Amino acid sequence: GNSVTQMEGPVTLSEEAFLTINCTYTATGYPSLFWYVQYPGEGLQLLLKATKADDKGSNKGFEATYRKETTSFHLEKGSVQVSDSAVYFCALSDQSNTGNQFYFGTGTSLTVIP
Amino acid sequence: KAGVTQTPRYLIKTRGQQVTLSCSPISGHRSVSWYQQTPGQGLQFLFEYFSETQRNKGNFPGRFSGRQFSNSRSEMNVSTLELGDSALYLCASSPVLAGAIETQYFGPGTRLLVL
Repeated sequence: GNSVTQMEGPVTLSEEAFLTINCTYTATGYPSLFWYVQYPGEGLQLLLKATKADDKGSNKGFEATYRKETTSFHLEKGSVQVSDSAVYFCALSDQSNTGNQFYFGTGTSLTVIP
Repeated sequence: KAGVTQTPRYLIKTRGQQVTLSCSPISGHRSVSWYQQTPGQGLQFLFEYFSETQRNKGNFPGRFSGRQFSNSRSEMNVSTLELGDSALYLCASSPVLAGAIETQYFGPGTRLLVL
């Protein structure tokens, strides 16, 4: 079956530190991969996505590369800011005969301190 | 384009009552999915509707139901509320593109508190 595993949080970093949040997946088909971000009191916002192997998604300084050989989609940012404090969700979507269904990781809470 | 809207944003109910939550998708999006988010269980998939038909369903009891209207707006209903139903309920809409993976766009959620 399909599933997503994210690194456990919470993660606390100082401003300007390097961020990596690990995400690995299991899928029966050829999924698309996503990172969503949730700020306090809000819904999930799409951060970036990649639809095939070796694709790199990027947005707002965040990047993630779809690695089929390691079934991973790790999120990285070179220099985090206080405003990046949020919960990050890795997700996959796999097309089936019943349409697309999303599978989400458990979320990783990030706190950036000045 | 306007984003996904959910009403109401906050709701307080008592055990045994029922509740109806509403979701208006992004214009042109025909798929609507519902999720329950709690601190202990994370994000759990409830169901997905496309063209007024339930296309996928998660592992929730029959007290949780939904429907979709011809304008793609969706409602979910929870009957006989339990304390454990307290959660943030998120709605997400997707365009449906033949042969392509869809991206889900989320609304702000409805926070339900059951007393």
